[in-house]
Amino acid sequence: DAGVIQSPRHEVTEMGQEVTLRCKLISGHNSLFWYRQTMMRGLELLIYFNNNVPIDDSGMPEDRFSAKMPNASFSTLKIQPSEPRDSAVYFCASSRQSNQPQHFGDGTRLSIL
Amino acid sequence: DQQVKQNSPSLSVQEGRISILNCDYTNSMFDYFLWYKKYPAEGPTFLISISSIKDKNEDGRFTVFLNKSAKHLSLHIVPSQPGDSAVYFCAAPNSGGSNYKLTFGKGTLLTVNP
Repeated sequence: DAGVIQSPRHEVTEMGQEVTLRCKLISGHNSLFWYRQTMMRGLELLIYFNNNVPIDDSGMPEDRFSAKMPNASFSTLKIQPSEPRDSAVYFCASSRQSNQPQHFGDGTRLSIL
Repeated sequence: DQQVKQNSPSLSVQEGRISILNCDYTNSMFDYFLWYKKYPAEGPTFLISISSIKDKNEDGRFTVFLNKSAKHLSLHIVPSQPGDSAVYFCAAPNSGGSNYKLTFGKGTLLTVNP
């Protein structure tokens, strides 16, 4: 079975540019999570979707961040405009149901110069 | 306020010996705990879990122990193998309606030396 697939694996861009991170869920999973990992704060939940609907976006840092699920198998996380402090590893995870173990993608390492 | 704490950033053990990774929590409402393993440049993978109705859960070389009164859990790996070298995260979901929300510890880097 294919796992959670994230793209790109690495992104380096200049501040002020728009960044779009992509995630393909595992087939049959109805819960989707975006996380950010930094040295200072560890793994933090940014947003949680259930059946394509955003349920909890309390972890989204500010209005520059937005996430969508246009269909049951795909999600995007967009940062516009990007800032150097957004540099981190961003993980997408999915689960069959919200209270079951989450399966993580391999992450996108984002560097904003 | 860190609700899940892994106080040892790193641990080094010899192949064949026992690895013990520790985790403390402060939220007494936590009733389920998970351990994830993470290799460099990969995402965390689920390893083992334990419910608060148990004090031990075993899966092959991996055993998790839970001490509710001390708000402490530990992951034992016996025998340790070089392929076990990774970062191990302890995590707990919120109870009730927000049980999707995992609180992660900062992780412990385990190095198993051949």
